[in-house]
Amino acid sequence: GAVVSQHPSWVICKSGTSVKIECRSLDFQATTMFWYRQFPKQSLMLMATSNEGSKATYEQGVEKDKFLINHASLTLSTLTVTSAHPEDSSFYICSARSLAGGTGELFFGEGSRLTVL
Amino acid sequence: AQSVTQLGSHVSVSEGALVLLRCNYSSSVPPYLFWYVQYPNQGLQLLLKYTSAATLVKGINGFEAEFKKSETSFHLTKPSAHMSDAAEYFCAVRRLGAGSYQLTFGKGTKLSVIP
Repeated sequence: GAVVSQHPSWVICKSGTSVKIECRSLDFQATTMFWYRQFPKQSLMLMATSNEGSKATYEQGVEKDKFLINHASLTLSTLTVTSAHPEDSSFYICSARSLAGGTGELFFGEGSRLTVL
Repeated sequence: AQSVTQLGSHVSVSEGALVLLRCNYSSSVPPYLFWYVQYPNQGLQLLLKYTSAATLVKGINGFEAEFKKSETSFHLTKPSAHMSDAAEYFCAVRRLGAGSYQLTFGKGTKLSVIP
């Protein structure tokens, strides 16, 4: 099946620094990638939809300037958490939709756990 | 707006017993529905999906779900629980909109399997 890989799996950073998380589709091209945030023992909340070559569409309440999303190629999207604060600590998950379309199945990455000290 | 509600945040079953995880949906049109499983500190894996074809959908790992329009339900079942089934399960509905592949997730149900 299709594989989506995230890197890094775990990251710890100091408050005020920026962290970049990569999401790659390894064996397919992804026109659209989605970034989710998951708080402990809670569901996934969609943060933004990222389309290759265009600006990301953010969900209401998500700060665009804080969570920078870049989808520069059909296999790579990045999420940069700028000036991170402890409240940004969370599990971030990306998913990707294949160019082949179909019934809307998304392939999920393994997630990236961010801890801001 | 499309939404799903998962009844029960935590379900415990004995090994070998029936697994039943409940999901009800709200949608103004026939929905696309999904069940995902998440193991600790991992992403989501698709178990099965309903896309308006057969109402009884079979998925991986012995799971299946039945779409019941009259009850607006899409409950997940497995005849015999295995220890490896212990995980978090999410029901999701695909959002409406041309070209939209966004999913709205339920709050999740944690399944514990007792030896």
